[in-house]
Amino acid sequence: NAGVTQTPKFQVLKTGQSMTLQCAQDMNHNSMYWYRQDPGMGLRLIYYSASEGTTDKGEVPNGYNVSRLNKREFSLRLESAAPSQTSVYFCASTIDRGRSYTFGSGTRLTVV
Amino acid sequence: GESVGLHLPTLSVQEGDNSIINCAYSNSASDYFIWYKQESGKGPQFIIDIRSNMDKRQGQRVTVLLNKTVKHLSLQIAATQPGDSAVYFCADLEGYSTLTFGKGTMLLVSP
Repeated sequence: NAGVTQTPKFQVLKTGQSMTLQCAQDMNHNSMYWYRQDPGMGLRLIYYSASEGTTDKGEVPNGYNVSRLNKREFSLRLESAAPSQTSVYFCASTIDRGRSYTFGSGTRLTVV
Repeated sequence: GESVGLHLPTLSVQEGDNSIINCAYSNSASDYFIWYKQESGKGPQFIIDIRSNMDKRQGQRVTVLLNKTVKHLSLQIAATQPGDSAVYFCADLEGYSTLTFGKGTMLLVSP
């Protein structure tokens, strides 16, 4: 089992550029999440999808959009990247809400 | 490697010592608690969890203690090894909401 797969692993963007971070899980999990991790800030929730067909905002949604493409895939889009979005982004999934999450290995994004 | 460890509380121990990592949570309604381990360049990895109807739970070399009165969680690692060096996060959850993470503690184990 691959678990949670994130692509790309590294990305450098110029301010104003757009990009989509991809996430796929092969565990038949219902819920999926996007977090960002900044030094000294822990992990902060950007958006989540409790089940296929639904998405909700988390703690820090501004500047991002998401798409739950199907049960396996949950993408995060930056429409106009800003230096403040330089971070490490983690996708996670869980079989049911109220259970522990399985995390991907992260996407390290730098916006210059 | 990534700079996730900057400005984090750090616990330095010798190999073979027992380690205790502490965490305070703020939501008195949280009913599920998890400890994650994050090694440099990797995503968080589940270590152990505990429900609010328990005070203590043991795993392999790890024990989690929950004190709901003071909203405190601790992770005890027995016979700490160099491979235990990582950043440790606690997380809590209320019902079917989303996990809220603490800011993390870096554990450094010297041989």
